[in-house]
Amino acid sequence: GAVVSQHPSRVICKSGTSVKIECRSLDFQATTMFWYRQFPKQSLMLMATSNEGSKATYEQGVEKDKFLINHASLTLSTLTVTSAHPEDSSFYICSARGGLAGGNTGELFFGEGSRLTVL
Amino acid sequence: AQSVTQLGSHVSVSEGALVLLRCNYSSSVPPYLFWYVQYPNQGLQLLLKYTSAATLVKGINGFEAEFKKSETSFHLTKPSAHMSDAAEYFCAVRGRNTPLVFGKGTRLSVIA
Repeated sequence: GAVVSQHPSRVICKSGTSVKIECRSLDFQATTMFWYRQFPKQSLMLMATSNEGSKATYEQGVEKDKFLINHASLTLSTLTVTSAHPEDSSFYICSARGGLAGGNTGELFFGEGSRLTVL
Repeated sequence: AQSVTQLGSHVSVSEGALVLLRCNYSSSVPPYLFWYVQYPNQGLQLLLKYTSAATLVKGINGFEAEFKKSETSFHLTKPSAHMSDAAEYFCAVRGRNTPLVFGKGTRLSVIA
């Protein structure tokens, strides 16, 4: 299947700093990327949907000024957690869909996830 | 709107025993259904998917699932559990143009 890579896999930062997480589709062009957040022992909650070259669509309750999403190219989307606080600590997972990868069945290809710890 | 209910947040089976993880869905449109597996501190890996073709879907690692429209179910099974099957399993549903919605997950433990 198609490969999606996230970086960094783990990041620890101080409260008040900003953290950027990258999501790359390695062998296909991702017209759409999704960002999920997963709390310990819980399911994945969709945060936002980003389409290449346009603004992200955020789910209800997700602060778009807090979680900045950029999808500047067909292979890269970034999530920036601005002015991070301890309650932002979580596992963030990106996924991608596009072109022939996943076709029109809705299959998503997931990154390995990024664990953010805010001290 | 779509939703998924996974019955049982934790299932424990003996090695070699049948694995049955339950998933019921709700969808106002013909659904696409998926099972994903997640190992600790990792992303999700697709086990199998139903996309309106055969109702019995075979996936990787010996897993399979059967789509039953009358029961709105898509239960995941494996005839014989291995220790390596211990992980978190998520059922997910979407319509053609709707976001993927996940169930709350079922943690599978395999006892030697």
